[in-house]
Amino acid sequence: DAGVIQSPRHEVTEMGQEVTLRCKPISGHNSLFWYRQTMMRGLELLIYFNNNVPIDDSGMPEDRFSAKMPNASFSTLKIQPSEPRDSAVYFCASSSARPRSGLAGGSTDTQYFGPGTRLTVL
Amino acid sequence: KQEVTQIPAALSVPEGENLVLNCSFTDSAIYNLQWFRQDPGKGLTSLLLIQSSQREQTSGRLNASLDKSSGRSTLYIAASQPGDSATYLCAVQDTGRRALTFGSGTRLQVQP
Repeated sequence: DAGVIQSPRHEVTEMGQEVTLRCKPISGHNSLFWYRQTMMRGLELLIYFNNNVPIDDSGMPEDRFSAKMPNASFSTLKIQPSEPRDSAVYFCASSSARPRSGLAGGSTDTQYFGPGTRLTVL
Repeated sequence: KQEVTQIPAALSVPEGENLVLNCSFTDSAIYNLQWFRQDPGKGLTSLLLIQSSQREQTSGRLNASLDKSSGRSTLYIAASQPGDSATYLCAVQDTGRRALTFGSGTRLQVQP
């Protein structure tokens, strides 16, 4: 398996432009996560999907950010319009959620991360 | 809100030393705790996952322990090598939530 694939690996754009980041999860995984990493705030969850449905988007900074997962093998994170403070490394991760027996919800599966997209907004 | 803290922030040791990285978390209601490695400019590689019912996990020269009641985990690296140089991140998965909460990492440098 090729692992989680992200594109582009690097993106440099000007303030106000639309940016689209792409992710292909590991085949067979049913959960997909978008994280953002900055020096100031470290790694933070933006949104995650389970079976292509957004479950928790509490980390999405504001309306300029949107994420979609049209099918099990593809997801996008869009920023429109982009701002300099959006500069960061954006990671996509996937996992295969398995219910933990005896408990309501949750799972214990490892998340596998992609190489990230380094975004610079000038 | 879960908070994860890692100490020290940076560590430099000579090759061959055994070392311990520390991680603490504020809310003990977790499903699991994971240790990741991140090389400069690269993504994260999962090293060990400890379920909440477990006390430790081992993989090669790595051993991770978990004391859920006290909100602590340690990553022990035996006989360190220059190739171990990287940033090590601790992350917890809270009960009822799939996402991970990360610490800020420990940057390790192993000198040859």
